[in-house]
Amino acid sequence: SSELTQDPAVSVALGQTVRITCQGDSLRNYYASWYQQKPGQAPVLVIYGKDNRPSGIPDRFSGSSSGNTGSLTITGAQAEDEADYYCNSRDSSGDHVLFGGGTKLTVL
Amino acid sequence: QVTLKESGPALVKPTQTLTLTCTFSGFSLSTTGMRVSWIRQPPGKALEWLARIDWDDDKFYSTSLKTRLTISKDTSKNQVVLTMTNMDPVDTATYYCARTKPGSGWTFEYWGQGTLVTVSS
Repeated sequence: SSELTQDPAVSVALGQTVRITCQGDSLRNYYASWYQQKPGQAPVLVIYGKDNRPSGIPDRFSGSSSGNTGSLTITGAQAEDEADYYCNSRDSSGDHVLFGGGTKLTVL
Repeated sequence: QVTLKESGPALVKPTQTLTLTCTFSGFSLSTTGMRVSWIRQPPGKALEWLARIDWDDDKFYSTSLKTRLTISKDTSKNQVVLTMTNMDPVDTATYYCARTKPGSGWTFEYWGQGTLVTVSS
């Protein structure tokens, strides 16, 4: 399979923990990267590799992986975390890039 | 400081060829490990990877669009150019260029602001 599947929408209460998942065969071999996108803005990298955060990304964002599933966890979600989240990875068949369909996170 | 900026026409007619330019600073595309991709996003829809060019001039294209795409670089101008032929209204999207983390082919560390291209007669 050359697809990455994400739940279209997830909600979380303010201050609670939420996990956003990404499924695909390529994730058995390659870590997912995760991007946050707010309306009208370009995506921002929040997690890459096993569990790495770029400079400036709060430590409430973390990543994990198991089998064909990559996960982005936000521990103690804040109102400003409300956004669309996309995973991506490499296609297992070659040097092509896959993106998931995105998950819209609502912070209640 | 790494920056990227997309430029090109805001409006193209169906069947025309789109040419987009990504002008970047803060790195050289002749440096080993550097890669720049084009990614698009139709209004209200998901991101879609289009093409990538590497420091050694290797080029990779989306399987579904490869017959319509050409990516090239001008290292002296710090630019990457994408052409897409036979434009259709379904190609209406915001087009981004992005640089990957050195050594990675898919972790997009830096993004341009994007440029909206509308395909309409």
